[in-house]
Amino acid sequence: EVQLVESGGGLVQPGRSLRLSCAASEFTFSNYGMNWVRQAPGKGLEWVSYISSTSTTIYYADSVKGRFTLSRDNARKSLYLQMNSLRAEDTAVYYCTTGSSGFTYWGQGTLVTVSS
Amino acid sequence: DIQMTQSPSTLSASVGDRVTITCRASQSISNWLAWYQQKPGKAPKLLIYKASTLENGVPSRFSGSGSGTEFTLTISSLQPDDFATYYCQQYNTYSSFGQGTKLEIK
Repeated sequence: EVQLVESGGGLVQPGRSLRLSCAASEFTFSNYGMNWVRQAPGKGLEWVSYISSTSTTIYYADSVKGRFTLSRDNARKSLYLQMNSLRAEDTAVYYCTTGSSGFTYWGQGTLVTVSS
Repeated sequence: DIQMTQSPSTLSASVGDRVTITCRASQSISNWLAWYQQKPGKAPKLLIYKASTLENGVPSRFSGSGSGTEFTLTISSLQPDDFATYYCQQYNTYSSFGQGTKLEIK
């Protein structure tokens, strides 16, 4: 069974940094583009970023462009989201997700809270 | 950026009802549209992709249609497990989600 396990969330002060990780198992990680999607408390889903299988293509939502950096390590079957200059509006559950058409597989999410 | 607009935002219905949720894209996305179901505290679950293809294991009472800019999700006969929030998503250009439709028990 495909597994995606996020980690690295927590409470962080505005302006500080945090790095999220997503560990993948039970599928050929290196064949799939990967995404982060976030959900603020009581709000809807927001796509954050995408990275292609070989890291040659990376996209970001306008709301995080210039502050977040997405990367992956196919040998370690891991996805990373470096989040800098965090703001209160970045507070959300962050999901790692992938699929061939639509997002079939999702992790359980990791909560990031930006607050002083 | 492509904006996705769902309607209604909230829908009250009863078990056995037929319900339809609409999603509109701000520009054509061909059929690169997916529908998700989300329950509180859980990750979203993919129901339909490519506008009308049912994901494996999803009950046949769920169906999707549309292309270009107008799409619909229909549940033919509501079951108790179907009361949840539903989102559409375009994946034609990057990705973006609709704001969600909360399906409540009447």
